[in-house]
Amino acid sequence: DTAVSQTPKYLVTQMGNDKSIKCEQNLGHDTMYWYKQDSKKFLKIMFSYNNKELIINETVPNRFSPKSPDKAHLNLHINSLELGDSAVYFCASSQVRRAEQFFGPGTRLTVL
Amino acid sequence: AQSVSQHNHHVILSEAASLELGCNYSYGGTVNLFWYVQYPGQHLQLLLKYFSGDPLVKGIKGFEAEFIKSKFSFNLRKPSVQWSDTAEYFCAVNAPGGNTDKLIFGTGTRLQVFP
Repeated sequence: DTAVSQTPKYLVTQMGNDKSIKCEQNLGHDTMYWYKQDSKKFLKIMFSYNNKELIINETVPNRFSPKSPDKAHLNLHINSLELGDSAVYFCASSQVRRAEQFFGPGTRLTVL
Repeated sequence: AQSVSQHNHHVILSEAASLELGCNYSYGGTVNLFWYVQYPGQHLQLLLKYFSGDPLVKGIKGFEAEFIKSKFSFNLRKPSVQWSDTAEYFCAVNAPGGNTDKLIFGTGTRLQVFP
């Protein structure tokens, strides 16, 4: 059983395009996150949602828009993709206040 | 603001060697501490965590870590590494309480183990 799943696993696209990454968790967690891992493997949080409500928004360009249709899903939509958006994007989830996070398999985004 | 430092960026060891990876954090209050591992091409997996209690924490695959509050450290250890331990290791810290579970990650340590 997959706890945190993401689609697609790989995404190759041209600059200027708009793309979405989907994330689903079946752990019953209240909180979900998006992280960006750059080419040097540095992980940085982008967004956090708790019960469909935005909790954390870490100085991310407004071209990035998370959407949480329900607490089991957190999607990431990116407008006007730029070269610098190339990275691996990880979704994660946790129960509020427990702090242990479970990560999805990642989506490798390549912008050409 | 919280921050996490991992001073070993790249560690190369032979199988059976002992491992210690350093992790220091900057936050004066109560913290939760984690070590995650990322095997090549895979997602992050939790190795071990410290919330409270015994400062020596045992995790999966023979890893352990010791929380030393006075040194703001949470170093990861393994007495005898294997080739399969080749991976990227991340230390992370979180300040509990409030409505968020924001994890701050260190920059990671790349471990290469040669047979």
